[in-house]
Amino acid sequence: KAGVTQTPRYLIKTRGQQVTLSCSPISGHRSVSWYQQTPGQGLQFLFEYFSETQRNKGNFPGRFSGRQFSNSRSEMNVSTLELGDSALYLCASSGTDPTNEKLFFGSGTQLSVL
Amino acid sequence: AQSVTQPDIHITVSEGASLELRCNYSYGATPYLFWYVQSPGQGLQLLLKYFSGDTLVQGIKGFEAEFKRSQSSFNLRKPSVHWSDAAEYFCAVGDMYRNKLVFGAGTILRVKS
Repeated sequence: KAGVTQTPRYLIKTRGQQVTLSCSPISGHRSVSWYQQTPGQGLQFLFEYFSETQRNKGNFPGRFSGRQFSNSRSEMNVSTLELGDSALYLCASSGTDPTNEKLFFGSGTQLSVL
Repeated sequence: AQSVTQPDIHITVSEGASLELRCNYSYGATPYLFWYVQSPGQGLQLLLKYFSGDTLVQGIKGFEAEFKRSQSSFNLRKPSVHWSDAAEYFCAVGDMYRNKLVFGAGTILRVKS
């Protein structure tokens, strides 16, 4: 069973640009969550999508957005990039068994903003 | 608000020695607690989780954790550390939406031979 796949693995952008990151969850998983990891702020929850609907949202500005497609694949978009957006962006998927729910993380997309 | 504190930023142990990583949480209701491990440049791997029931939880790779409600703690333990255990360890707490986790700052484990 393939794991969570995130593409691209690395990205370099400049301030003011926008970026789109992609996440393919484990087959059969309908929930996809996104996290930002930085040395200063640690791991922070961005948002979660379930069946194409945003189910939960963290405390990030509106420049951070996401969506989920009917096949459960998800994308997140960051517009008007700032230097502080440089981070490892992690995607996680989970199944629907409430008694055994756990997150499976991808290897992440390392975004560098210059 | 939920929060997780991992008091130790770095810990160094000798190979074969026992290990305990500390985690304290703040949460208003019954917490859902997790321990994850991250190797450099990689994603997070779940070691173990606590939802309810037995307060001593067994995980993968020989790890275990004990939930102590009175101390708001969920410490991770391993009786004998291997060099391959060197990594960063994160404690996390979740609410009813278990995919919205609050993570601690992490503890970097170094293993010396």
